[in-house]
Amino acid sequence: SQQGEEDPQALSIQEGENATMNCSYKTSINNLQWYRQNSGRGLVHLILIRSNEREKHSGRLRVTLDTSKKSSSLLITASRAADTASYFCATDSGNDMRFGAGTRLTVKP
Amino acid sequence: GAVVSQHPSRVICKSGTSVKIECRSLDFQATTMFWYRQFPKQSLMLMATSNEGSKATYEQGVEKDKFLINHASLTLSTLTVTSAHPEDSSFYICSAKGPRPNIQYFGAGTRLSVL
Repeated sequence: SQQGEEDPQALSIQEGENATMNCSYKTSINNLQWYRQNSGRGLVHLILIRSNEREKHSGRLRVTLDTSKKSSSLLITASRAADTASYFCATDSGNDMRFGAGTRLTVKP
Repeated sequence: GAVVSQHPSRVICKSGTSVKIECRSLDFQATTMFWYRQFPKQSLMLMATSNEGSKATYEQGVEKDKFLINHASLTLSTLTVTSAHPEDSSFYICSAKGPRPNIQYFGAGTRLSVL
């Protein structure tokens, strides 16, 4: 079963703008990860944030984690058309990984 | 590194036939692999966890006899959809736990269409 909910379900922005996606989950986690999926393809790991971390950066990506609210956000700065994809959060409880519903991001050139 | 190959990428079959999907870790050994199913514009639903040398662990609601999983080696897991029906049409994705802890490496997926 799915673990989390993501919002928005779909996001459309112009190239150069920032994109923020949110993820909420229900159970305790060891870490939370964000993955990217291009249409009809597998998932690619983007970034992992551990349960004792609050913020993490990787290039144009910034992830926050609030374990008290059981929520995370992914910020993509200075978006590019190539960032168009679906983005999923995944919670790792140590036993398995559960994926959120995903946000479909469209970056218009 | 840490490449997972999934084959075939697309398969069309007649109702009642069986389809086998392969998931291989190319440059690492994977004691644990996962099989997911994804409906259009939806998230990944975990079907089963495949452990090398032992029986797969299926998620609630997934028919073991329908979706046969074999993880006979450290680099290969297979999913066989037996007696496929149109409702089995979906996108199936495998993943493997790889060299970096806690991170799963995904195959490119298999789109199954049952006529």
